[in-house]
Amino acid sequence: EADIYQTPRYLVIGTGKKITLECSQTMGHDKMYWYQQDPGMELHLIHYSYGVNSTEKGDLSSESTVSRIRTEHFPLTLESARPSHTSQYLCASSDGLPMVNFGPGTRLTVL
Amino acid sequence: AQSVSQHNHHVILSEAASLELGCNYSYGGTVNLFWYVQYPGQHLQLLLKYFSGDPLVKGIKGFEAEFIKSKFSFNLRKPSVQWSDTAEYFCAVTPTGGGNKLTFGTGTQLKVEL
Repeated sequence: EADIYQTPRYLVIGTGKKITLECSQTMGHDKMYWYQQDPGMELHLIHYSYGVNSTEKGDLSSESTVSRIRTEHFPLTLESARPSHTSQYLCASSDGLPMVNFGPGTRLTVL
Repeated sequence: AQSVSQHNHHVILSEAASLELGCNYSYGGTVNLFWYVQYPGQHLQLLLKYFSGDPLVKGIKGFEAEFIKSKFSFNLRKPSVQWSDTAEYFCAVTPTGGGNKLTFGTGTQLKVEL
């Protein structure tokens, strides 16, 4: 079972607030990812990191930012949340093999 | 860039029926292929994977998938579904050596009725 933790699991917040979605993994994986999933839609890669101090934007443009100061930690931040940010955010990690393990996700609602 | 198509968005089956979920991808090079499953209220988890070799791969819980390179397909099958297979199923692809950046299909919601 994958050891990827995401907090909070659910978040309801007002427009304009700054939020940080936490993601941590205990497997020592170098590669970490953030995916965004709207109901009934595919998952889209929004950020990824191949190691400490390495971050890249994914295929889907996102107003969020990420940081990777420690191997195990890959938080995602929205400086000013808007209703269009309402979605599910999934964190994932992988080692050198092409296999990706997912966390439980954070369901974000912006009012 | 690669893309993935899942043709069945919602499937309803009776227990013991056979299942086949379609998945086609578009990419000109070699790929790694995956099926992920998300049971209600649970994590997205890997069902099976194809990297190379035998195009017929077997996964957990009796699922299998066949990679047909000429058709760019990776269909998921199970001979006899159970009520506990009710879940959402996602096909995904990543180019070989592509840094494990997965491209997903839209998913298929499977409901198995007793």
